[in-house]
Amino acid sequence: QSALTQPRSVSGSPGQSVTISCIGTSSDVGNHKYVSWYQKHPGKAPKLIMYDVGKRPSGVPDRFSGSESGNTASLTISGLQAEDEADYYCCSHTGSYTWVFGGGTKVTVL
Amino acid sequence: QVQLVESGGGVVQPGRSLRLSCAVSGFTFSNYGIHWVRQAPGKGLEWVAITWFNGGGEYYADAVEGRFSVSRDTSKSTVNLQMNSLRVEDTAVYYCARTYGDYRSAAYYYGMDVWGQGTTVTVSS
Repeated sequence: QSALTQPRSVSGSPGQSVTISCIGTSSDVGNHKYVSWYQKHPGKAPKLIMYDVGKRPSGVPDRFSGSESGNTASLTISGLQAEDEADYYCCSHTGSYTWVFGGGTKVTVL
Repeated sequence: QVQLVESGGGVVQPGRSLRLSCAVSGFTFSNYGIHWVRQAPGKGLEWVAITWFNGGGEYYADAVEGRFSVSRDTSKSTVNLQMNSLRVEDTAVYYCARTYGDYRSAAYYYGMDVWGQGTTVTVSS
């Protein structure tokens, strides 16, 4: 159950795009595609913002998009806004009734 | 309205036990799995455990296997996380969260949609 690999931080100016990668293995991200993404602001509970690689729950802005290639999933935030400044986590089912999170990426809006 | 509310956090000495509870409402409890996820101070999210829908099984992260146990009380719509042999490194905010979909859908495996507000566990001598 090794954590998925994410960059520790990314940054961008308002209106720009940032992409966060999430690297797993053929046993988790690459095998089952059951990847989800969460936004977490300090002191708040995580919020689901993406699932099934590129699907958004109701209410999540279409500025958020997801993709996947091999053992890597990615989350892109287009048209960056101040309220997007938060920590972002990927998560994957491992295929053995367990789940694993990435280490988290801090998004800074410059 | 779907809601999950954790309780039971506190300060405990290493080696002791603590039980957390997660009270759920607003959905058919038996159709959903309930996850426990924690966040240690300054660290990222860590998956801890899941109780399968309808009490069909419990599964754990390696870090807590053999020390933590999850159970569900259908009559009270509550999930309990019994934490034994606590270690300093178990200090964290503990969240319970619902599986995104019910057991009949693939979304069951996609992660967690509704989360509680979290309860803080501090393990310290």
